[in-house]
Amino acid sequence: DQQVKQNSPSLSVQEGRISILNCDYTNSMFDYFLWYKKYPAEGPTFLISISSIKDKNEDGRFTVFLNKSAKHLSLHIVPSQPGDSAVYFCAARDLTSGTYKYIFGTGTRLKVLA
Amino acid sequence: DAGVTQSPTHLIKTRGQQVTLRCSPKSGHDTVSWYQQALGQGPQFIFQYYEEEERQRGNFPDRFSGHQFPNYSSELNVNALLLGDSALYLCASSLQRRERGTQYFGPGTRLLVL
Repeated sequence: DQQVKQNSPSLSVQEGRISILNCDYTNSMFDYFLWYKKYPAEGPTFLISISSIKDKNEDGRFTVFLNKSAKHLSLHIVPSQPGDSAVYFCAARDLTSGTYKYIFGTGTRLKVLA
Repeated sequence: DAGVTQSPTHLIKTRGQQVTLRCSPKSGHDTVSWYQQALGQGPQFIFQYYEEEERQRGNFPDRFSGHQFPNYSSELNVNALLLGDSALYLCASSLQRRERGTQYFGPGTRLLVL
């Protein structure tokens, strides 16, 4: 049972335009959400996070939006740059067992076209 | 500030063999989590170590075991290797008591089982 879903396996965007990556989750007990970027042959790199008590967090070109009622979060990259081309994973923190663990989506491959 | 390091970077084993992967967490971090990432998938949580104990475990068989040392470094052991164990193994470190608990990943160990 996939608790964190990224339904778009790939996305292509022109340089300078907005990239929007989406993520849906099923567990309302998740309290913290993160986005990671992954280049080939490297581990995932932390990008941006949001607490479940917020609905928006912004860091430079990256903004994450959280819609708790829809159990949906999105990552906006504006403006998109060719260096942003990578696989993006969303992750949700599960605290139901006392200590936390993170559950990851399957990733979205973003390609920014020059 | 040294980030998360993992060794070895690549490993080739045959079915039935045993393997040990190693991880040193980011300086100041006390919690280590291990993930398996198969091709085209997101990282799957294997287990988490904190205070030298396994605190959480994902849906992985007992062939997967681990250890955390007093200096917070960790090992992942896999016995009786199967072809399906071929994957990228990622280690992530974090601070257990930090409210956000963001995980930082190492570069991974790519295991190929023949």
